[in-house]
Amino acid sequence: EVQLVESGGGLVEPGRSLRLSCTASGITFGDDAVSWFRQAPGKGLEWISFIRSKAFGGTTEYAASVKGRFTISRDDSQSIAYLQMNGLNTEDTAVYYCTRADYGYSHWGQGTLVTVSS
Amino acid sequence: DIVMTQTPLFSPVTLGQPASISCRSSQSLVHSDGNTFLSWLQQRPGQPPRLLIYKISNRFSGVPDRFSGSGAGTDFTLKISRVEAEDVGVYYCMQATQFPRTFGQGTKLEIK
Repeated sequence: EVQLVESGGGLVEPGRSLRLSCTASGITFGDDAVSWFRQAPGKGLEWISFIRSKAFGGTTEYAASVKGRFTISRDDSQSIAYLQMNGLNTEDTAVYYCTRADYGYSHWGQGTLVTVSS
Repeated sequence: DIVMTQTPLFSPVTLGQPASISCRSSQSLVHSDGNTFLSWLQQRPGQPPRLLIYKISNRFSGVPDRFSGSGAGTDFTLKISRVEAEDVGVYYCMQATQFPRTFGQGTKLEIK
């Protein structure tokens, strides 16, 4: 069974940093691209970041709203993807989901809540 | 960016009756490889999104056959042949043809 488990969320003050983790099981993690999405309270879904597999160069993509502040990375030896979030502001408050970024974004984690507040 | 527009935004449906959601993209979703990366996701209350349909019309594993997708180019439709109580939630179309990935606003389906 494919599982993605996010962790690392919490309450953080504006301007601070946080690193989210996404631990995968049930898949050959290194073969897949991974994406992060988020959902602000009561709002719709927003794509924020993507990392290709090493076979496709491990290159990354970012939404304009997070480019320059967030960094996605991966450790295939541990089947973990990371989202380093710097310079957080209140608009970054959301549930953050990681996904297996295949033909349809087939598998989603349960999400981790990030609250940015003073 | 590709803008995805869903209609309706709210859909009250009687149990056992059909439901239909439309999604229109601001430009063609046909990828250079010939695929059209249009997906439909369901989000039940308090749950993460769940993939229902990928590449316009392919049901994901475990998705009941009362869900179907159709369309081409810029116009797409999700149909539920007979709505069941467990179908309550918000439905999103999403394009993965181009970066940034973008979603429709979501359609809230509820039982009358």
